[in-house]
Amino acid sequence: AQRVTQPEKLLSVFKGAPVELKCNYSYSGSPELFWYVQYSRQRLQLLLRHISRESIKGFTADLNKGETSFHLKKPFAQEEDSAMYYCALTGGGNKLTFGTGTQLKVEL
Amino acid sequence: NAGVTQTPKFQVLKTGQSMTLQCAQDMNHEYMSWYRQDPGMGLRLIHYSVGAGITDQGEVPNGYNVSRSTTEDFPLRLLSAAPSQTSVYFCASSWSGEKLFFGSGTQLSVL
Repeated sequence: AQRVTQPEKLLSVFKGAPVELKCNYSYSGSPELFWYVQYSRQRLQLLLRHISRESIKGFTADLNKGETSFHLKKPFAQEEDSAMYYCALTGGGNKLTFGTGTQLKVEL
Repeated sequence: NAGVTQTPKFQVLKTGQSMTLQCAQDMNHEYMSWYRQDPGMGLRLIHYSVGAGITDQGEVPNGYNVSRSTTEDFPLRLLSAAPSQTSVYFCASSWSGEKLFFGSGTQLSVL
């Protein structure tokens, strides 16, 4: 069974501080990992995926198969980063499993 | 392009009532799915479909039925609503099961 764990329900940081949203997964094969974001009063949307190895809005995430982690990082938090972030996993099929989400609050 | 359209946005039901949550997409996506979002539980997959005429169960299918008669539409039916089904429901679609495009959600309360 595939499982995604986001240990923090709420993460509060000051503007300009580094951000790390934790995500650990359990999957027996080779997973594909994603980060989705839901800004206030907006739809849930894809932020980034590990196979693209891209940086979106200053966020990056590296898949660490040894630690089974896919943490989301940004060196300097901005106020507009405040949102709910979900880590998600698929084994290449049609089922995307989401974590419980982390609410990021960036304080001035 | 309207993307993924869900109706209604809000609904209040009494225990035992039935209703259908509508979902339509105009992107010609083969894959469609329904999730429910509950505090502390994240998004949980209810049912999904990989094409017209094909549906399958997700993580929490009990109490819900789906059908996929066309590529565009994927309605979710609650046959006999229960308070435990109070939640926010999201429909999503994609070319595959990976990059999902979400609807704006339906907030359902069952009294």
